[in-house]
Amino acid sequence: GAVVSQHPSRVICKSGTSVKIECRSLDFQATTMFWYRQFPKQSLMLMATSNEGSKATYEQGVEKDKFLINHASLTLSTLTVTSAHPEDSSFYICSARAVGRAGYEQYFGPGTRLTVT
Amino acid sequence: GENVEQHPSTLSVQEGDSAVIKCTYSDSASNYFPWYKQELGKRPQLIIDIRSNVGEKKDQRIAVTLNKTAKHFSLHITETQPEDSAVYFCAASIGITGGGNKLTFGTGTQLKVEL
Repeated sequence: GAVVSQHPSRVICKSGTSVKIECRSLDFQATTMFWYRQFPKQSLMLMATSNEGSKATYEQGVEKDKFLINHASLTLSTLTVTSAHPEDSSFYICSARAVGRAGYEQYFGPGTRLTVT
Repeated sequence: GENVEQHPSTLSVQEGDSAVIKCTYSDSASNYFPWYKQELGKRPQLIIDIRSNVGEKKDQRIAVTLNKTAKHFSLHITETQPEDSAVYFCAASIGITGGGNKLTFGTGTQLKVEL
C-alpha cells in the first residue's frame, strides 16, 4: 500500500510554455501533499505544502504565481510551472501524507524530470 | 526555520565494513527523523525513522541513534554491501497540527561500497 504516482515522468518543453505535473495517491487519501525540487547532486528542497481544498503554503523564495498548485481532491495534487525557463529544469518530486495514519511518514512519488529548452 | 546539516558528503567503505552518517538539526521542536536512500533518478526510499521519544532504533543492518540534548542523530549501516551504494539523506520534521509534517532534508551523503 501507500503508493504515489506522478505524471509525466519526463517532459521537455520550450521556454515560455507551461507544464502541468500530476501527483496521485493511488491507494490512500492524502490531506496533505508536498512538492519538492531537486537539482542535480543536491538535496530535496521543499517548494510548497498543499492541503486539500485550501490554498497551498509556499516556502520562502518560491514564486506562487509561477508554480501553481492545486489540490482539488484527497488523491490528486497538481503543480503547474508557468512560463517555464531553462533554470526551472529540475527533478520535481511530490510526497503525500496519509489521512488517519498514526505515523509521520510521507510517501514519495517517482519524480518528474523537467527539461526546458 | 529548521536547518539540518549532514556529514560527510561522500563516504567510501570496503564491503563488509560499517558506515556512519551524522546529522544535526537546529530546532528543538523537531520530533521525527527519517532517513532516505535515493538511487540516481529515483524517488527517495524510507529506510528507517525515529521519533523523539526513542533514543535508538534498529532494523537488521541499519540502526539510527538520536541525541535530543545535542540535537544530532546518526545512521549506522553494518556489513555494507555493494547494493548499499546510493545517496542517503537525513531529514527532520516538526509536526503541524491538523496538517502534515514539513520535512527539512540534509545535504546528502554519497555512499560508495567498494568490493
